[in-house]
Amino acid sequence: AQKVTQAQTEISVVEKEDVTLDCVYETRDTTYYLFWYKQPPSGELVFLIRRNSFDEQNEISGRYSWNFQKSTSSFNFTITASQVVDSAVYFCALSDPNRDDKIIFGKGTRLHILP
Amino acid sequence: NAGVMQNPRHLVRRRGQEARLRCSPMKGHSHVYWYRQLPEEGLKFMVYLQKENIIDESGMPKERFSAEFPKEGPSILRIQQVVRGDSAAYFCASSPTGGAGNEQFFGPGTRLTVL
Repeated sequence: AQKVTQAQTEISVVEKEDVTLDCVYETRDTTYYLFWYKQPPSGELVFLIRRNSFDEQNEISGRYSWNFQKSTSSFNFTITASQVVDSAVYFCALSDPNRDDKIIFGKGTRLHILP
Repeated sequence: NAGVMQNPRHLVRRRGQEARLRCSPMKGHSHVYWYRQLPEEGLKFMVYLQKENIIDESGMPKERFSAEFPKEGPSILRIQQVVRGDSAAYFCASSPTGGAGNEQFFGPGTRLTVL
């Protein structure tokens, strides 16, 4: 069965600190996609990244970076120099083209950035 | 190119009434996925449709819920005789094809409140 676990339910950090959100996934398939989404208080889903299982290169986009490690089935997300606007719920997710690309979401990590 | 549109954005119903949620996919997309987000939870897959066909409804409650995606017009998620437990955010996502690793684009969601 496929599963995504975000062990951190809620995190609070002071502005400008770095913060890492953990994500561990389970799948028996060799081809899959991993995602991170942000859900701000307004409620919409904001797509952050999509990474396929064959690309283990780490990615950096501005203050955001992602560390994909197949050996530990993890896809962690780091925000550097956090800002108050980063306060949101962050979801890690997994999809499989062999299962019609249905997305399996983790339960989310609520991130509070304190001024 | 307009994104995925959902309406209404907010819907209030009394117990026992019907709720109809609409999703207009992105232009050129013929595949639609519906997800439900219960309060303080992650999104969960409900149903996957192609034009005029239900491909996978494994996440749909067995009773009171139905979905369609006609040849013309938006996809509709219909909830009959709503109960308080149906209060949730309902998101749809569209894709040009399914099962090919294509990205899904999410709409802004419909927030259903059952009084």
